[in-house]
Amino acid sequence: QITLKESGPTLVKPTQTLTLTCTFSGFSLATSGVAVGWIRQPPGKALEWLALIYWDDDKRYNPSLRTRLTITMDTSKDQVVLTMTNMDPVDTATYFCAHGHPPETWGQGTLVTVSS
Amino acid sequence: QSVLTQPPSASGTPGQRVTISCSGSRSNIGSNPVSWYQQLPGTAPKLLIYSDNLRPSGVPDRFSGSKSGTSASLAISGLQSEDETDYYCAVWDDGLSGPYVVFGGGTKLTVL
Repeated sequence: QITLKESGPTLVKPTQTLTLTCTFSGFSLATSGVAVGWIRQPPGKALEWLALIYWDDDKRYNPSLRTRLTITMDTSKDQVVLTMTNMDPVDTATYFCAHGHPPETWGQGTLVTVSS
Repeated sequence: QSVLTQPPSASGTPGQRVTISCSGSRSNIGSNPVSWYQQLPGTAPKLLIYSDNLRPSGVPDRFSGSKSGTSASLAISGLQSEDETDYYCAVWDDGLSGPYVVFGGGTKLTVL
């Protein structure tokens, strides 16, 4: 059974850097073809894809956020980390990590609020 | 403003068949397989359709997907009250700066 869970701060201040961790089980990012991605959803709004990392460390980013995002993986810990710099109140959203491409199994999401 | 265009709302009566459209371009729907997601309030999206028209195990065959050119559709037959929720399409876009995933703006389905 594949499960994923997001963790990180629930509140960040404007201009700060957000670091979110996705801890997963039921698969390995060392396995060929496997990928884990991040998607966010502002309250009451649509889904927005952020980034994806493949088993071979290849990475894809949303071009509109590319300069602010970094996605990395730690196969020994079964974790994927997303960092987003220069946070702004408009970045307030629920952040999801998901297995697969397209995203198949999703984590429950974590709400991040950006406010001073 | 999403790269993929979905109608903000759709509706139908129980037992009816409804379709939700997703309009894109040659660089996304015209070139890559489409996925559809169902999102119940307060929960994570659930994959309904992948590769244009395939259903993951456990998804009822009331849900079906199709694609033609740069547009895709999700059809729900035998509409049920529990189908009342939000639906999103998604696809890879072969952007100039590298491929990335785009989601539609979402469609809220109401069962009358």
